[in-house]
This record gives sequence, C-alpha cells and structure tokens, in this order.
Amino acid sequence: DAKTTQPNSMESNEEEPVHLPCNHSTISGTDYIHWYRQLPSQGPEYVIHGLTSNVNNRMASLAIAEDRKSSTLILHRATLRDAAVYYCVGGSQGNLIFGKGTKLSVKP
Amino acid sequence: GAVVSQHPSWVICKSGTSVKIECRSLDFQATTMFWYRQFPKQSLMLMATSNEGSKATYEQGVEKDKFLINHASLTLSTLTVTSAHPEDSSFYICSARDFRDRAYGYTFGSGTRLTVV
Repeated sequence: DAKTTQPNSMESNEEEPVHLPCNHSTISGTDYIHWYRQLPSQGPEYVIHGLTSNVNNRMASLAIAEDRKSSTLILHRATLRDAAVYYCVGGSQGNLIFGKGTKLSVKP
Repeated sequence: GAVVSQHPSWVICKSGTSVKIECRSLDFQATTMFWYRQFPKQSLMLMATSNEGSKATYEQGVEKDKFLINHASLTLSTLTVTSAHPEDSSFYICSARDFRDRAYGYTFGSGTRLTVV
C-alpha cells in the first residue's frame, strides 16, 4: 500500500499560492498519486492526479519528485472556498488508501 | 467529470434494524465501486470493493455478513448495514471511476450519514 504522510494543518492567506506537501516513499512504480479535498459532511472532491510528470488542471498543479517519493499540490491563488482537508492518496486500482490529510485554513 | 449519486444523504434507524444505501454512477458504467466509512474527525477507511456480477472484496476487519454489498448492475451498488448498532453510526461514502475520461480520477458520492439510535 502507498502510505502517505502529510502535515496535519496549514494556513494560507487569500489570493496567495499554497504548496501542500506529501511524502509517499513506499509508493509502487505503477501507483498514481491522487489528491482529493473534502469539506465537512461531504464526499471527497477530486483535485488532480499524476504518475511521473507534473500535471496541471483548472484547479491546481501537481509537482511530482523525480524519485516519486514525494509530491506537492499547488493552489496558485487560494480562495476562501479552498479551505478544506486535502488528502494525498496513492493507488492504481481504485482501492485508495487515505491518510490523515492536511487541513488547510485560508485567511481573508 | 463523472457524477456519482448516493442516496439517502442521511438516515436515522433503530438499533437492530437494517439500512440500505444506494450508490449510482450517472452517465457511465462502473464495473467496480468502492465503499468507505468515515468516523468524526477521522480519515476515510476503505471497507470493500464492489464488483459487478460477483462477490465484493472486503478489507480486513470488515464483517461481510454485517455489511452486505450488492452490485447487480453496471450503474448501481448497494450497501446494506444489517442489524445496525450505535457503533455503526458513521459517514458512508462510495466512489467509482469513468474510465472513458483518463484525465479525471475517482468520483465520490456525497455520502450518507447513518445514525443508529
């Protein structure tokens, strides 16, 4: 299993970039790195995923280390709506194993 | 992205009764769906993998006779909590993936809050 380690919490100011780190040193060569975020009493929302190359989409960017043992989710301009718990998850077959995640707070 | 519909969003039941939770993939077929459970202030825990037309695969420590999973069609998986007890009160969430869109990951339902009284 791709066990992940993330800081428990992070703070950001509104409209500033946020870099959320994740360590996944035990990830296998075929496991994708997924990022999801969750608001209270809601299901997780997909953010981004990647295998080896850095990835960009309308929500965020994902920077994956060359050795794949870590990755960073980048929110380019944090908004108040980005406040959530962010989970870095490893997996390839859908049986995603969630760690404890990082609770992101965004200050106006 | 794909949409996964989960129903009901919340349910309260008496101890000893059974509760069924539905998970539907809208506009796409899902041969595999996943069921998670989340206790307050904790992360999601994978309970089982639901396979269309075959038996579900349960994670270690999850009682298959208590959490019955049926995946009778390519768009519907159900989780039945049998003989529910207060300790089964939790937030249950399903997920699936539309493999036609490889640029998108897994989609989660909105969750079902189960309270057993």
